[in-house]
Amino acid sequence: EAQVTQNPRYLITVTGKKLTVTCSQNMNHEYMSWYRQDPGLGLRQIYYSMNVEVTDKGDVPEGYKVSRKEKRNFPLILESPSPNQTSLYFCASSPPGGYGYTFGSGTRLTVV
Amino acid sequence: AQKITQTQPGMFVQEKEAVTLDCTYDTSDPSYGLFWYKQPSSGEMIFLIYQGSYDQQNATEGRYSLNFQKARKSANLVISASQLGDSAMYFCATKSDTGANSKLTFGKGITLSVRP
Repeated sequence: EAQVTQNPRYLITVTGKKLTVTCSQNMNHEYMSWYRQDPGLGLRQIYYSMNVEVTDKGDVPEGYKVSRKEKRNFPLILESPSPNQTSLYFCASSPPGGYGYTFGSGTRLTVV
Repeated sequence: AQKITQTQPGMFVQEKEAVTLDCTYDTSDPSYGLFWYKQPSSGEMIFLIYQGSYDQQNATEGRYSLNFQKARKSANLVISASQLGDSAMYFCATKSDTGANSKLTFGKGITLSVRP
């Protein structure tokens, strides 16, 4: 089954404790992206990657890092999480051109 | 820059009736796509329907249709014969066909509740 797998689904952590949210896709898509969803704001892009070793900032990249060492994986790293990063996070992948987006199931992160 | 506006407050519809969810967009790109996604309470993002800016006909997918009015920059979603399972948050989104980033720009969403 074609899918984007995110882990964990739920995470509660404390301020300043580094964490990584993993994302893996099995569709051989070149394009991958991270979004965060906040009430009243919809989804906003954090980072994206056009291919292996090619990443760039989206609209809200502050406080986040990403890497793309393999085509299938695109982890999101919060080196020093803060409460304002409490959000619902989605990883997504698509073929070139961006038509045919597949979203992961989401990761609900709470930073206390 | 692209922008999506969804201004309706929470929407209510009686089961089996039709409902229209409003979406207006703003873009200077000559070619773009418009999308609707459904997000049930479980949280996943479910793709519903897509309309290309050059498509002459309105898109339809089962009970979903997109009322595309390019001159008005609107892309309203029409759900016919509402079902209880349609209760969810609905997001309108757009994507530019120019540039390398295949970013989706989302509206803030509309909550739909279907009454039995």
